[in-house]
Amino acid sequence: GAVVSQHPSWVICKSGTSVKIECRSLDFQATTMFWYRQFPKQSLMLMATSNEGSKATYEQGVEKDKFLINHASLTLSTLTVTSAHPEDSSFYICSARDLLASTDTQYFGPGTRLTVL
Amino acid sequence: QKEVEQNSGPLSVPEGAIASLNCTYSDRGSQSFFWYRQYSGKSPELIMFIYSNGDKEDGRFTAQLNKASQYVSLLIRDSQPSDSATYLCAVNLGGGSNYKLTFGKGTLLTVNP
Repeated sequence: GAVVSQHPSWVICKSGTSVKIECRSLDFQATTMFWYRQFPKQSLMLMATSNEGSKATYEQGVEKDKFLINHASLTLSTLTVTSAHPEDSSFYICSARDLLASTDTQYFGPGTRLTVL
Repeated sequence: QKEVEQNSGPLSVPEGAIASLNCTYSDRGSQSFFWYRQYSGKSPELIMFIYSNGDKEDGRFTAQLNKASQYVSLLIRDSQPSDSATYLCAVNLGGGSNYKLTFGKGTLLTVNP
């Protein structure tokens, strides 16, 4: 149980284009999902908290107009990197918290590696 | 500033030894503590969580929590080469209801055959 999927697993795009990443909880419902970014040899940095049916909460320094988050259902959240630039190249990872769980454990997706040329 | 600190390592142990990983956190009100393992190029996977002071054992892994000292550790007994990975300590700092986790920078563990 507690499986989270992400799609795509990797993507290469040209500078200036937009990229959408999907995060799905496969066997549980998640009112709360989280989006992280990880640069090489660094720890995970939380970008935003995605809440089903409401606006995402962004961490300080994260541009909400550049990283658009939509959490339209209890099993799907999407992150769109708009007008991507080479500095946005990173490993993007989502996590989800089980709605019915009594703990605040986060289960992670496999990640999406974005390369912007 | 709210922080989670880990000994940076790298930590190298021989196969079969006990690996000890440490983590301190800044907010005394924190309630939830997690250990994740991350292999190179992969996303983190949950090893275990601990909420109460004392020890919690799961197979070869034991998490230890001391809230008074704001300290949480992970012991890996009978370390195997497959345990070689980066271990991330994560804390819900302040026990907030937003379920956010703050991660340490991780400790790279190498288990030598």
